[in-house]
Amino acid sequence: SAVISQKPSRDICQRGTSLTIQCQVDSQVTMMFWYRQQPGQSLTLIATANQGSEATYESGFVIDKFPISRPNLTFSTLTVSNMSPEDSSIYLCSVVTGSTDTQYFGPGTRLTVL
Amino acid sequence: QKEVEQDPGPLSVPEGAIVSLNCTYSNSAFQYFMWYRQYSRKGPELLMYTYSSGNKEDGRFTAQVDKSSKYISLFIRDSQPSDSATYLCAMTTFMNRDDKIIFGKGTRLHILP
Repeated sequence: SAVISQKPSRDICQRGTSLTIQCQVDSQVTMMFWYRQQPGQSLTLIATANQGSEATYESGFVIDKFPISRPNLTFSTLTVSNMSPEDSSIYLCSVVTGSTDTQYFGPGTRLTVL
Repeated sequence: QKEVEQDPGPLSVPEGAIVSLNCTYSNSAFQYFMWYRQYSRKGPELLMYTYSSGNKEDGRFTAQVDKSSKYISLFIRDSQPSDSATYLCAMTTFMNRDDKIIFGKGTRLHILP
């Protein structure tokens, strides 16, 4: 299994500002994912971050808006840039690990943009 | 048609009842099916997974896959108030590690004491 922590757990931000979310895993993992979970919506994959390569973004998400860092095998950050109220959501870090490629999620960061 | 459909609920049942949660899907290539449980203000946690068709049982939980109908179910026996959470189905083709996992919207379940 994997234990994942995220910081901050929640934040309230002003329009136009940026927030960086940190994700720490208790073991080395190759694949890390960032998801968004909006009220009443399914989990939406933002990007896949593999250590040593550029993050791969899903349709509808761009690097300028959601820059990602992956400096090592246990840590990643997601920045939500130039925020608007539409960015209010829960952002979740996730990893795939284990012999069965099980996906584990962090506790999430609840972001409110005013 | 969306790839995965899941009734958002809420579903309220009395304690001790059998709960049935379901998802339908459209992609016949899906063959790896998962159920996640998400408590309020927590991230999803993997509850059960099954590969291809059939049933899998783990304690009070049974996962069932009917690929011919493109329909999956999660049954909870002897439901407890602690089972109150949102349950998300998820699935993937599992052809390779780059395959995306597609999630349902989740069903909110309330077990009434």
